[in-house]
Amino acid sequence: AQSVAQPEDQVNVAEGNPLTVKCTYSVSGNPYLFWYVQYPNRGLQFLLKYITGDNLVKGSYGFEAEFNKSQTSFHLKKPSALVSDSALYFCAVRDAPYYGNNRLAFGKGNQVVVIP
Amino acid sequence: KAGVTQTPRYLIKTRGQQVTLSCSPISGHRSVSWYQQTPGQGLQFLFEYFSETQRNKGNFPGRFSGRQFSNSRSEMNVSTLELGDSALYLCASSLGTRTYEQYFGPGTRLTVT
Repeated sequence: AQSVAQPEDQVNVAEGNPLTVKCTYSVSGNPYLFWYVQYPNRGLQFLLKYITGDNLVKGSYGFEAEFNKSQTSFHLKKPSALVSDSALYFCAVRDAPYYGNNRLAFGKGNQVVVIP
Repeated sequence: KAGVTQTPRYLIKTRGQQVTLSCSPISGHRSVSWYQQTPGQGLQFLFEYFSETQRNKGNFPGRFSGRQFSNSRSEMNVSTLELGDSALYLCASSLGTRTYEQYFGPGTRLTVT
């Protein structure tokens, strides 16, 4: 089965500093990778995805992610963090590579705290 | 376009009862997936429906079931509720092909007492 790992529980960053949330993946075949964000008492909001193509993927709200095949990583980044970026971030991978499958396997999530 | 809607938003049930949760996908989306979110287990896939057919199922007991209607709306049912079923149940919709992202609703918070 495909899986992702988010090694950190919480990421603390000062407002205005770069933000990085780490994710590594384990897949057979080509990885389909996603980042989602969850605010308190809300569902998950889609940020960005990697399917094929450029290793640097740009997404919503100024976020981007870098796909690194050799390191099997898909880290989420933002050049300058805002207090409003404080939330729970999930990395996810499509759980099987075959057509007709939308099943996602999620990481445990990272709590991001942006300090004013 | 309106987003994914889920009803009810909050629900309190007693052990042994059954519950039905509803999800209306984004207009034009044919795939609906359900996930359970708990502090201990995180986000876990329950099942996916596409064109009224279940095409994926997660590792949950048979007490958890679902269906999809011809208008793509979906319901999930949990029978004989257990305390451990207390969770946030999230519904997500997608256009249906493998490269499209899923859009999540706000969830239904189920508390079993």
